[in-house]
Amino acid sequence: QQQVKQSPQSLIVQKGGIPIINCAYENTAFDYFPWYQQFPGKGPALLIAIRPDVSEKKEGRFTISFNKSAKQFSLHIMDSQPGDSATYFCAASMQGGSEKLVFGKGMKLTVNP
Amino acid sequence: DVKVTQSSRYLVKRTGEKVFLECVQDMDHENMFWYRQDPGLGLRLIYFSYDVKMKEKGDIPEGYSVSREKKERFSLILESASTNQTSMYLCASSSGTATYEQYFGPGTRLTVT
Repeated sequence: QQQVKQSPQSLIVQKGGIPIINCAYENTAFDYFPWYQQFPGKGPALLIAIRPDVSEKKEGRFTISFNKSAKQFSLHIMDSQPGDSATYFCAASMQGGSEKLVFGKGMKLTVNP
Repeated sequence: DVKVTQSSRYLVKRTGEKVFLECVQDMDHENMFWYRQDPGLGLRLIYFSYDVKMKEKGDIPEGYSVSREKKERFSLILESASTNQTSMYLCASSSGTATYEQYFGPGTRLTVT
């Protein structure tokens, strides 16, 4: 049973567009929701994260929106650039879980010039 | 900067061979993780360790074992490699201080023929 469902699997946008990646979870014990970014040939790296006590968090051009009642969270990339082309993973974790993360299946984003 | 290194970027082994994948982190992190990454399946946790000589199974431990004799080093062992273990293997570490951020190595692309 997949605990974190991510969609879409891939997305192609033009430079300046606003790609949106969605994730949904079932386990209400999750209390930490990060997004990881992975470039080809590299390991994933933390991009931005949110806890359920806030509904939105912005870091530069990246924004997480969190809807606790719907058990959904999403990543928005404002003014997307070709350098944002990467695979994006959402994840979830819970307190006392040895900092284990449950990952979504990932989304490959391509930003065309 | 946290650095997680993996012993090989590419590895080719034959079916039935015993395979060792090594991971070293340089930030005195408590937790270490092994994932495999397959297209369309995302990151799946194989094993993790929360202390020296302590380990727990992840979601897909079958066919794998691990060893953590020193805090900085976490090894993944394929006792008898099979073709369905051809994959990208990623090692990660986290501090264990409830910051939850995982730092990933660059990955080892293992091909079993």
